[in-house]
Parts: sequence; structure tokens; C-alpha cells
Amino acid sequence: KQEVTQIPAALSVPEGENLVLNCSFTDSAIYNLQWFRQDPGKGLTSLLLIQSSQREQTSGRLNASLDKSSGRSTLYIAASQPGDSATYLCAVRRVDSNYQLIWGAGTKLIIKP
Amino acid sequence: NAGVTQTPKFQVLKTGQSMTLQCAQDMNHEYMSWYRQDPGMGLRLIHYSVGAGITDQGEVPNGYNVSRSTTEDFPLRLLSAAPSQTSVYFCASSYSSIGDTQYFGPGTRLTVL
Repeated sequence: KQEVTQIPAALSVPEGENLVLNCSFTDSAIYNLQWFRQDPGKGLTSLLLIQSSQREQTSGRLNASLDKSSGRSTLYIAASQPGDSATYLCAVRRVDSNYQLIWGAGTKLIIKP
Repeated sequence: NAGVTQTPKFQVLKTGQSMTLQCAQDMNHEYMSWYRQDPGMGLRLIHYSVGAGITDQGEVPNGYNVSRSTTEDFPLRLLSAAPSQTSVYFCASSYSSIGDTQYFGPGTRLTVL
């Protein structure tokens, strides 16, 4: 059974720091992996989608990597800003069971001014 | 485009009551889904649809019904509300079921007393 874990559950860092959020999954047979951002009281916004054949994706100050063999993905945020404060969730899409998304519980990130 | 809209934003029900959570999208997406989000847990798939007239169960379908009569709308019905259904419910849509980014609605916070 695919399980997705995000550690730590919460993280607080000063503004301007570069930081890494972690996502691990137990089954390497995935179709793709996505990172989302969730702001309080709002829906989820897709940040990056990495196909299983890719190693990384970049969008602005965000870079996501994927290592299927080790069951890990990281989301790198450069030069963090208070506006980056949110909960970040990762989800892997299975290649069986109708390609459902399996979600981590998220990392709540606080950027201190 | 309004994207994915959900109504209501908040709802309080008594045990045994029924209600329908509304979801609509204006992006002509074929794939729509309903998730619930509980504290400390990843999102869990309730039901999904790959097109008008086609629905299927997700991970936690018990106590919920769905139908998809049009491409745009995908309502979720709670048949007889229970306190265990207290949660935040998200509707999502995407062009296809597997390779594309999912777009989420703002969520409905449901409390069952």
C-alpha cells in the first residue's frame, strides 16, 4: 500500500533563508508526483508536477526533485519570503487503482519577517 | 474563468440530516473528484468522475453519493450526516485523470453535531 510521509509537520525559518521540504513514499511505482500549496481557509494550488521519468522541475524560486528509487522528493524554496508561509502538500499518483492520488499530511511553513 | 466553485463555504448539520455540497467548474474538464481533509491526515478521495454519466468510488465512499449529469457539475450528497463526517471537503477537476494538474475549489467546512 502506497503511503506518503512529510516530515517535519511544521517548520519556522527567518526570511531570506533557503529551505527544503521533504516528501517520502513507500512504493516507487508512481505515475507522477505533485507539490501543492494550501493557504488557510482556501483551496489547494498546484506548484509543480514531476512526471515519473523526470528528475526535477523548476518554477521561479521553487525547485522540486524526484528520486523514485529512494522514494523521495524535495521541494527547494530559495530566498524565502513571508508570503511563502502556507502548508505544502505532496501527492503521488499511483499506476494502479485507477491512478488515484495519495497525499501526504503536509508541512506547515512559517517564514518570520 | 471562475475555475472551480463550491457552495456553501460553511455548513452545520445535525446528525441524521442530509445535504448536498455543490461543485462546478467552467474549464470543460472531464475529470472531477471529491476529497475530504481531516487534521493531521492527507486528503482522502471520496468519489470521482471521468466524464458526464460516469462515477466511481474512491478510498472513503461510505455515506456519500455523487452523480454527474453534466460536464460542469459534480454534487456530493450526504445521505444521513454523522459526526464522523465533520471535515473540510474539496472538489477538484482536471482535463484528464492522470497526467494533468488538478484545480481545487476553496472548500466547504462541514460540522455535524
